Amino acid sequence: GQNIDQPTEMTATEGAIVQINCTYQTSGFNGLFWYQQHAGEAPTFLSYNVLDGLEEKGRFSSFLSRSKGYSYLLLKELQMKDSASYLCAVKMDSNYQLIWGAGTKLIIKP
Amino acid sequence: KAGVTQTPRYLIKTRGQQVTLSCSPISGHRSVSWYQQTPGQGLQFLFEYFSETQRNKGNFPGRFSGRQFSNSRSEMNVSTLELGDSALYLCASSPVGADTEAFFGQGTRLTVV
Repeated sequence: GQNIDQPTEMTATEGAIVQINCTYQTSGFNGLFWYQQHAGEAPTFLSYNVLDGLEEKGRFSSFLSRSKGYSYLLLKELQMKDSASYLCAVKMDSNYQLIWGAGTKLIIKP
Repeated sequence: KAGVTQTPRYLIKTRGQQVTLSCSPISGHRSVSWYQQTPGQGLQFLFEYFSETQRNKGNFPGRFSGRQFSNSRSEMNVSTLELGDSALYLCASSPVGADTEAFFGQGTRLTVV
């Protein structure tokens, strides 16, 4: 079967740094997505990692280790608007289907 | 360009009824996927349509069905509604390609009473 694990909830302080982990065990792998979803809204794309390593996009960075089945999303200089759920998803190489984790709810405190 | 449009945004139905949800993808996107989202369960994949053909299917009962039209618009139907079908139903469209992201609509919030 396919399995993707993320912490259910995390709390961090405004201005700080937080790392959200995602581990996966899937029968195939093409790449890993991170999406952000604010309450009551649609998920929006943050990053897509295909190769091992760190990709930086402004305050957000995403890391992938294919050999370890592990990824993380790093958020720097946290702002209140970063309070949201963060979803990781594996794209299968066989049929391009996305397998989703349950999401991590991130709560930012002043 | 216009995003993914889902209608209606909110729906209340009674157990046993059936419902049809609609999704208009971004112009030029031929792949449309449907997901069910409930608190704590994440996004559960229902099915994916590509060029009017169902390409992938999740593990949902046969009460859940869908179709895609020649203009790539898609509909999802749920028959004999159950209380447990109450959820946010999200549609996502994407262009052709292995490394393409999915663009989500705002979803349809279905409540079954």
